Amino acid sequence: QKEVEQNSGPLSVPEGAIASLNCTYSDRVSQSFFWYRQYSGKSPELIMSIYSNGDKEDGRFTAQLNKASQYVSLLIRDSQPSDSATYLCAVLTSYGKLTFGQGTILTVHP
Amino acid sequence: DVKVTQSSRYLVKRTGEKVFLECVQDMDHENMFWYRQDPGLGLRLIYFSYDVKMKEKGDIPEGYSVSREKKERFSLILESASTNQTSMYLCASSPNLGGSYNEQFFGPGTRLTVL
Repeated sequence: QKEVEQNSGPLSVPEGAIASLNCTYSDRVSQSFFWYRQYSGKSPELIMSIYSNGDKEDGRFTAQLNKASQYVSLLIRDSQPSDSATYLCAVLTSYGKLTFGQGTILTVHP
Repeated sequence: DVKVTQSSRYLVKRTGEKVFLECVQDMDHENMFWYRQDPGLGLRLIYFSYDVKMKEKGDIPEGYSVSREKKERFSLILESASTNQTSMYLCASSPNLGGSYNEQFFGPGTRLTVL
């Protein structure tokens, strides 16, 4: 079983819709979770971090964490074409390292 | 803003050459990391460092070494480059707050091609 798994995608949504990106992880003791956005040919950019169960909102982005289900998600409201990118879920493991999922490619079409 | 810089955006080397990739961060972060990113394989950790002169192996250290002589600088060394080391190399840094490792910030990456 992979340590961090993301919905495989690619995901395509119309402009203005909600994009939902999902991630599950296997290490029960993980405490810190991150979402990165990566445009083609660029390096990952941190967009959200979440440490406690529940929701965390930042502008159009909402991260959701459920430690009992070992599940973290990212919702993007009012999706824009500029949101088209690969989204990487990352989990801080018990060994102090970040483990990344494979990424989900999101396309927002006008 | 955190700034992580890498010495080259693109690099072309020949098989057997010794290759140095340099990374510098300006935010006084304790932790620094080297990853490689390949299509279908995602981001994989090569080496990391929690302090000056300290290094730890990541998931794929074979064929690589690192050096951290100063807090702000973390170098990745390919002792004898091979074609299977053609990849995008990403450096990252993070602060070490209260014993937990915080968000990692990435440099722009170096796309290395080994011929």
